Amino acid sequence: NAGVTQTPKFQVLKTGQSMTLQCAQDMNHNSMYWYRQDPGMGLRLIYYSASEGTTDKGEVPNGYNVSRLNKREFSLRLESAAPSQTSVYFCASNTGGLNSPLHFGNGTRLTVT
Amino acid sequence: EDKVVQSPLSLVVHEGDTVTLNCSYEVTNFRSLLWYKQEKKAPTFLFMLTSSGIEKKSGRLSSILDKKELFSILNITATQTGDSAIYLCAVELNRDDKIIFGKGTRLHILP
Repeated sequence: NAGVTQTPKFQVLKTGQSMTLQCAQDMNHNSMYWYRQDPGMGLRLIYYSASEGTTDKGEVPNGYNVSRLNKREFSLRLESAAPSQTSVYFCASNTGGLNSPLHFGNGTRLTVT
Repeated sequence: EDKVVQSPLSLVVHEGDTVTLNCSYEVTNFRSLLWYKQEKKAPTFLFMLTSSGIEKKSGRLSSILDKKELFSILNITATQTGDSAIYLCAVELNRDDKIIFGKGTRLHILP
């Protein structure tokens, strides 16, 4: 089973460039999440989607947009990358009900110069 | 504002020691508390706790939740070098299925 798949694994951008991080899950999960992880900061929630067709802001949404394209896919877009967005980005999913831990992708390491 | 606070942020012990990691939370509409272990890549799931006072156990790891005092602890007994990792605590909210994490405890086990 693939689980949660993120692409790309690594990316270097120049300030002002745009890009989309892709995430897909094959577990028929309802909820999907995007987190960023910086040294000493744990995982901070950027956006999440409790079901197909809905998205909500998390703790640090500024500078990002998301699209829940269908039940499987949840993309994260940086319209104009900034050095402060240098981070490791994790996508995760769960069924959304009780007793449903998050399943994580392997992360995307993004550097903005 | 919902928040999850972990302590200590960093811990170094010798192999064989027992460690206790702490997680306190202030959230509205609590649903569950989760513990994850993160080594090189993605976090891996350890425990989910929903009820107070019921210990969850897996080998040398155990965890318990106190919903009155709003905290959880993760215990690791007879630590091994393979336990070196970042341990993350997260709280799931009933409202919109939101899940927020603490900053993590970086645990290093010396041989």
